[in-house]
Amino acid sequence: SYVLTQPPSVSVAPGKTATVPCGGTKIGSKNVHWYQQKPGQAPVLVISYDKDRPSGIPERFSGSNSGNTATLTITRVEAGDEADYYCQLWDSDSDQYVFGPGTKVTVL
Amino acid sequence: QVQLQVSGPGLVKPSETLSLTCAVSGDSISSYSWNWIRQAPGKGLEWIGYSYYSGYTSYNPSLKSRVTISVDTSKKHFSLRLTSVTAADTAVYYCVNIKEGRSEIGYWGQGTQVTVSS
Repeated sequence: SYVLTQPPSVSVAPGKTATVPCGGTKIGSKNVHWYQQKPGQAPVLVISYDKDRPSGIPERFSGSNSGNTATLTITRVEAGDEADYYCQLWDSDSDQYVFGPGTKVTVL
Repeated sequence: QVQLQVSGPGLVKPSETLSLTCAVSGDSISSYSWNWIRQAPGKGLEWIGYSYYSGYTSYNPSLKSRVTISVDTSKKHFSLRLTSVTAADTAVYYCVNIKEGRSEIGYWGQGTQVTVSS
């Protein structure tokens, strides 16, 4: 089955840019979604279909996907962005939904 | 807007069956796949499986032998059964929906803690 990889953690200073990669074989040919999860809360969709922002998500959140890596980018990082971020896709070959292991974004 | 309300026991004994139900309101039950996702303490999200109202299902291979997900259209709810549970099945369980033809999770239930312990 399809496997996604993410770094366990990313640290960023306030006001700077955080980049969270999500790796997978030919992931650029798939649709990738990103979720933000804060402690004790259900995840929230922040990016769908590689780069689309749902209503209510700040423009500071953006996404891209090419080759073997999809990327979530958070610009002008704020303390409130500190959370776990998960990438997710549907693998059509196996008809399974797959999550990455998650990346904890820490705001210094 | 779809709302999902999960219910079921918070404590299950080892080797017994975990059963959860998710009540659906706000939209047609025929327009989505109905999924369960879990998160063990301090761990990431794990997709368990889904069912359509037609009865078509797909499961995570690591759980497939123990999982059944079903949809009851008359009662507007869907259910999870996980047999022969162990401590490794202790987790927060979420019910979610994914609109037919799409692949992102639209709505998350509030999540329910299930602990496997004697």
